[in-house]
Order: sequence, then structure tokens, then C-alpha cells
Amino acid sequence: AQSVTQLGSHVSVSEGALVLLRCNYSSSVPPYLFWYVQYPNQGLQLLLKYTSAATLVKGINGFEAEFKKSETSFHLTKPSAHMRDAAEYFCAVSDPGGGADGLTFGKGTHLIIQP
Amino acid sequence: EAQVTQNPRYLITVTGKKLTVTCSQNMNHEYMSWYRQDPGLGLRQIYYSMNVEVTDKGDVPEGYKVSRKEKRNFPLILESPSPNQTSLYFCASSRRASNSYNEQFFGPGTRLTVL
Repeated sequence: AQSVTQLGSHVSVSEGALVLLRCNYSSSVPPYLFWYVQYPNQGLQLLLKYTSAATLVKGINGFEAEFKKSETSFHLTKPSAHMRDAAEYFCAVSDPGGGADGLTFGKGTHLIIQP
Repeated sequence: EAQVTQNPRYLITVTGKKLTVTCSQNMNHEYMSWYRQDPGLGLRQIYYSMNVEVTDKGDVPEGYKVSRKEKRNFPLILESPSPNQTSLYFCASSRRASNSYNEQFFGPGTRLTVL
């Protein structure tokens, strides 16, 4: 069974500072990994995904994430935070063997941007 | 515009009064899924559908029903809603479940309150 752990339910950074949101996964095989963002009163939007092509993945809005197999991690980063980045961020995993289960989500991290 | 739509967006109802939340996608996706989002729990899968007339339970199916008579529609039915089903519900779709790297596209969400 797969699982995802997001460290920190709330993360607060100053505008212009580095954003680091942590995600660790548990899977019997290297999974596919996703980061989704949820802006207030909206659905989830894909930020980026890892599907084994490259370990450093670049996404939208200046975000990127690095897959580290040895650490079973897929942390999300952005060099300089903007006020518009304030949102809920979800890490998710799926089994590359395919199947019907879809995505397993972490519990989410609420990113707060201080002016 | 490619999208997943849900109706209604907001609903307040009373215990025991049957309700249906509709979900429709215009991307010809085979796979559709329902999630509920609760504070501190992230998103949990309720039901999913691999294709027309093919549905199965997710992690939290109790108290819910679904049907998939057409490819584009995947309604969520609460036959006898209870207060513990008060939640934010998301419908999602993706091209094929067998290719688990396909991203899921999410609807805007339905906020349900059961009194």
C-alpha cells in the first residue's frame, strides 16, 4: 500500500523567501508523484509531476521538485515566494503499475505568505 | 474549454433527504473519481469508475452510491445523508487509469452541509 506524508500542516514564509514544502512517500516500487495546488474556493490544479523521466521536475508558477529515491522524498520548492502562492498544497502518489486506485493524497500543507 | 463541472457548488440539506451531486467532463476521459476533503485528512477517494458501467469502491464508500451510464457523467448519490457527510466534495477525471501518470483534472468542488 502506498502512503504520503506531508510534514507541516502549515508553513509560513515571508514574501521573497524560499518556499520548501516537504513530501515523503512510502511505496513498494518507485511511484509516480504529483504536486497539486488548491487556491481558496477552487478545485485542485496540477503543479508538476514525476514519472521517472528526470529527477528534477519543473512545474508551473516557478515551482520545482526533486525526486530522491534514497530519501523517498519529493519536496516542493520555489526560490522566491509571492503573495499569490498562498494556497493549500497536496502531494500525491500513484502506482506506476497502473490500476484503478487513482491517487493517494497527503493531508496537505497550507502555505501562508507574510508580507 | 476542457473542464470538469459539478453542481451544485453549495448545498445545505437535512438528515435523510436524498440528494445527487452531478459531475460532468468534456474531455472524453475514461476514468472518473469522487473524493471528499476534510480538514486535516486531505482528500480521500469515495468511488471511482474505469469506464462506462464500471464502478468500484474507494477508501470511504459508506453512505454513497454512484453510476456511470454515460462516459461524460458520474453523479454522486447520497440516499440518506447524515451530518458526518458534511464535507467538500471533488469530482476528477483522467484519460485512462491504466496509465497512472495521467494527471487528474478536478472540478471546482461542492460544499455540502447536512444538518
